[in-house]
Amino acid sequence: EVQLVESGGGLVKPGGSLRLSCAVSGLTFSNAWMSWVRQAPGKGLEWVGRIRSKTGGGTTDSAAPVKGRFTISRDDSKNTLYLQMNSLKTEDTAVYYCTTGIAADGTSYWGQGTLVTVSA
Amino acid sequence: EIVLTQSPGTLSLSPGERATLSCRASQSVSSSSLAWYQQKPGQAPRLLIYSASSRATGIPDRFSGSGSGTDFTLTISRLEPEDFAVYYCQQYGSSPPLTFGGGTKVEIK
Repeated sequence: EVQLVESGGGLVKPGGSLRLSCAVSGLTFSNAWMSWVRQAPGKGLEWVGRIRSKTGGGTTDSAAPVKGRFTISRDDSKNTLYLQMNSLKTEDTAVYYCTTGIAADGTSYWGQGTLVTVSA
Repeated sequence: EIVLTQSPGTLSLSPGERATLSCRASQSVSSSSLAWYQQKPGQAPRLLIYSASSRATGIPDRFSGSGSGTDFTLTISRLEPEDFAVYYCQQYGSSPPLTFGGGTKVEIK
């Protein structure tokens, strides 16, 4: 069974930092392109960014609102995806999901999400 | 950036009725890179359709996707009680950002 489990969410002040983790099991993590998607309270889904597999180059892409502030990384030895969030703003308040995206065979796996609240 | 516009914002229907949801892109989207998700309150999104018209594993055949270029449609042939939810389209081509539409809420009339 494939499982994605996010952790690290919580309350942080504007300007602060937080690191989210996503522990993955049940699939070959090193081959997976992984993404972060967020959802502000009562709002729609927003793609945050993705990281390619090492064989895919290991490079990252980020959405404009978080570019330069958020960094996506991975540790294939630990089957874990990370999202380092710096210079947080109130508008970054959201549930953050990690996801495998959509594989060529049409499979797509998501975590349960972790809530990040940015407030003074 | 490709902007996806979903309509209507809310669809009020009764169980057994047919639902037709639209997703319009600001520029052409590869049909191999258009997906539909279902999301219920408090849950993560669930993939329904990928490559515009392929059903994901375990998705009932009352769900179907169609379209190409800039116009895509999700159809639910006969609404079941568990289908009342919010639906999102997403383009997931090789060029970022991988954008989502704003969502269509299908509610019980």
